[in-house]
Amino acid sequence: TQLLEQSPQFLSIQEGENLTVYCNSSSVFSSLQWYRQEPGEGPVLLVTVVTGGEVKKLKRLTFQFGDARKDSSLHITAAQPGDTGLYLCAGAGGGGADGLTFGKGTHLIIQP
Amino acid sequence: GAVVSQHPSWVICKSGTSVKIECRSLDFQATTMFWYRQFPKQSLMLMATSNEGSKATYEQGVEKDKFLINHASLTLSTLTVTSAHPEDSSFYICSASHGAGVTDTQYFGPGTRLTVL
Repeated sequence: TQLLEQSPQFLSIQEGENLTVYCNSSSVFSSLQWYRQEPGEGPVLLVTVVTGGEVKKLKRLTFQFGDARKDSSLHITAAQPGDTGLYLCAGAGGGGADGLTFGKGTHLIIQP
Repeated sequence: GAVVSQHPSWVICKSGTSVKIECRSLDFQATTMFWYRQFPKQSLMLMATSNEGSKATYEQGVEKDKFLINHASLTLSTLTVTSAHPEDSSFYICSASHGAGVTDTQYFGPGTRLTVL
């Protein structure tokens, strides 16, 4: 069973601060995706990283895929209250499984 | 584009009854659909993978006779929870993909909240 360890599980910071969420595994994934999920809704895809060492930016969000394709990070610059939500990382292609392997998620609260 | 819908959004049923949840890809043909379950404060867990026209592949620990999956067309997959019990209460989420490859993006539905009394 492939596991994705996500940290931290809970994070509450002030508006304007920076933060990083980590996603680590002992398994190699073909691709890794980051999602944001609002309560009572399905996850919404933020980004997919495929190549080891790849860096993608989405406004104030920077995503990085580890060189060995086992880990990833999400960095948010100057966090805003609108960034509050559950952030999930998910790996594809780990051990030949078809579906996605999700991390436990990071509950992020940005206080105004 | 790539919109996935689920019906119903929420359902409350009595213990012992069966509940059917629909997952539709509205603007694309989904070769593969996935069903996930999410318990409160936890992450999504893959239950099964279904390919159009063939039997679903279930993850270890998921009872195929309890969670019946039908993927009869390229735009519709159904999950039937048979003889539901309170421990089946959960948030069920489907996703749909153009293809079965690991780099094919999965588009998620809005989820169905099932409460079994």
